[in-house]
Amino acid sequence: DSGVTQTPKHLITATGQRVTLRCSPRSGDLSVYWYQQSLDQGLQFLIQYYNGEERAKGNILERFSAQQFPDLHSELNLSSLELGDSALYFCASRGPNNSPLHFGNGTRLTVT
Amino acid sequence: AQSVTQPDIHITVSEGASLELRCNYSYGATPYLFWYVQSPGQGLQLLLKYFSGDTLVQGIKGFEAEFKRSQSSFNLRKPSVHWSDAAEYFCAVGASNYQLIWGAGTKLIIKP
Repeated sequence: DSGVTQTPKHLITATGQRVTLRCSPRSGDLSVYWYQQSLDQGLQFLIQYYNGEERAKGNILERFSAQQFPDLHSELNLSSLELGDSALYFCASRGPNNSPLHFGNGTRLTVT
Repeated sequence: AQSVTQPDIHITVSEGASLELRCNYSYGATPYLFWYVQSPGQGLQLLLKYFSGDTLVQGIKGFEAEFKRSQSSFNLRKPSVHWSDAAEYFCAVGASNYQLIWGAGTKLIIKP
């Protein structure tokens, strides 16, 4: 158990809809990262937050947004969903200094 | 351009045989290097990491990896694989801020 909790585990929704994925980082970890894993694109970094502030952006679409709350949990919001958004979405958290990333078990999103 | 190449999409190894998974990278400076493992339905788990120092690093589950600067490689090895090692293995490189670049992964299949 990595200590990173993601909910829900599975999500099935229709095109055009909006969903919210939730992540609770390991206790004490201030950094949260979101990744998308799909068969054709592999593991893609989306966005990073540190103590409530956006720290870095990767290949995140404008239809997607995220935030990190004062209790350090994070949410990834995906809107105007398309079939191609179907993927596994992972959250990871990290402690200070050279601590490694710890991944949650992911949310599998299926857009129909 | 920065990139990570895992040339083998699939590798099949007999149980008890030795294993080597290849990872080559292109990066402007000496990066931080990681190997992660992903079991079906699970998140990614850190096997080992290299930051500096001894170029042969030991990880969990009996894995080791060797950093070879001249070859820009960080190959993962295990002397004797177990059926439970069947999973997908990801190599990643990055700077200290952990904006990692990920390989496409190598799926390890264990023959009984």
